[in-house]
Amino acid sequence: DIQMTQSPPVLSASVGDRVTLSCKASQNINKNLDWYQQKHGEAPKLLIYYTNNLQTGIPSRFSGSGSGTDYTLTISSLQPEDVATYYCYQYNSGPYTFGAGTKLELK
Amino acid sequence: QVQLQQSGAELAKPGSSVKISCKASGYTFTSYYISWIKQTTGQGLEYIGYINTGSGGTNYNEKFKGKATLTVDKSSSTAFMQLSSLTPDDSAVYYCARRWPYGSYRFDYWGQGVMVTVSS
Repeated sequence: DIQMTQSPPVLSASVGDRVTLSCKASQNINKNLDWYQQKHGEAPKLLIYYTNNLQTGIPSRFSGSGSGTDYTLTISSLQPEDVATYYCYQYNSGPYTFGAGTKLELK
Repeated sequence: QVQLQQSGAELAKPGSSVKISCKASGYTFTSYYISWIKQTTGQGLEYIGYINTGSGGTNYNEKFKGKATLTVDKSSSTAFMQLSSLTPDDSAVYYCARRWPYGSYRFDYWGQGVMVTVSS
């Protein structure tokens, strides 16, 4: 199975900060990676698909990048409503797997 | 608007089965697959599998073969997941999600989740 390692597990940042979340795959996943945001008590929500494609309706402060085994989700200017847990998900090869998440908090 | 409405919470005894539903609306049901995802505090998010809503064909994560059975009723635009031989490890929130059938296999809409509790 492909292991997805997200770092850091918890990130504290201030409103307006540029925030970078990391996701590392145990093998090349050929950009077959999505990012999901989950707020407390809600279902996950698609933010970015195929590494760098912004889902319809998602604010442009969210962006994704990466290739091979290393991927990044960036929030250009953190807003209070961005407090959530963020998950990466690979669908390059089965079984498809999620990372353990990065919990984003306000400082 | 696209909606996936899941059935209500379940309390089940060890060894029993539960069948949870996911009713889709707001789009052509057979144009997208339905995937199922398990969420627990300990294991996080786990991909269970998907069903081709047009053909009924299925694909399972090996871990969930024999545990989960995915079916679909096209006439009511509803997908189902049956969980059998329940143990406390099956206690979790289960989500259905609409999955694109090609390109990026993204989950662009999710149900609200169903909490399944397995306890004697």
